[in-house]
Amino acid sequence: RKEVEQDPGPFNVPEGATVAFNCTYSNSASQSFFWYRQDCRKEPKLLMSVYSSGNEDGRFTAQLNRASQYISLLIRDSKLSDSATYLCVVNRAGGQNFVFGPGTRLSVLP
Amino acid sequence: DVKVTQSSRYLVKRTGEKVFLECVQDMDHENMFWYRQDPGLGLRLIYFSYDVKMKEKGDIPEGYSVSREKKERFSLILESASTNQTSMYLCASSLSGTGLTEAFFGQGTRLTVV
Repeated sequence: RKEVEQDPGPFNVPEGATVAFNCTYSNSASQSFFWYRQDCRKEPKLLMSVYSSGNEDGRFTAQLNRASQYISLLIRDSKLSDSATYLCVVNRAGGQNFVFGPGTRLSVLP
Repeated sequence: DVKVTQSSRYLVKRTGEKVFLECVQDMDHENMFWYRQDPGLGLRLIYFSYDVKMKEKGDIPEGYSVSREKKERFSLILESASTNQTSMYLCASSLSGTGLTEAFFGQGTRLTVV
């Protein structure tokens, strides 16, 4: 089993739709959680950190469920510019390593 | 503005060549990382370093070595390049410590070994 798993995608949604991505991680001692965004042929960039109580940044909402070892990202009112690959990232317990999920590709269609 | 800079965007090397990929960060970060990214496999950690002259193997270190002589610079070395090392290589850095420490990435080096 991979250490971080994500919905395989791709997700093709119309503009204005709400879309949710799921991520599970296997190491229960993992400490920090993030969502990164990667545009085609570009480097990954931090979208948002995920806090234990859940957090929101504009149209984006992240949730963490430690008991189920599950992280989610909700995007409301999708824009064309949201088209990208979304990477679930977990900070490996006991160190400073970042473990990346395989990514979920989102295409927002006009 | 934070910056991680990789020396080359594109490289083409021959099988058996020794290849150096350079990465420099200007944020005074303790931690630096080298990943490779391949379609369907995502980002995989090759090596990381949490201090000058310190290095730790990641998940796929075979065929690679690293050097960190200065805090701001982390080099990835392919001792004898092979075609299966054709990939996108990404360098990253982060602050040390617990908590939500973000990793910042360079723009990537697309290496082709022929």
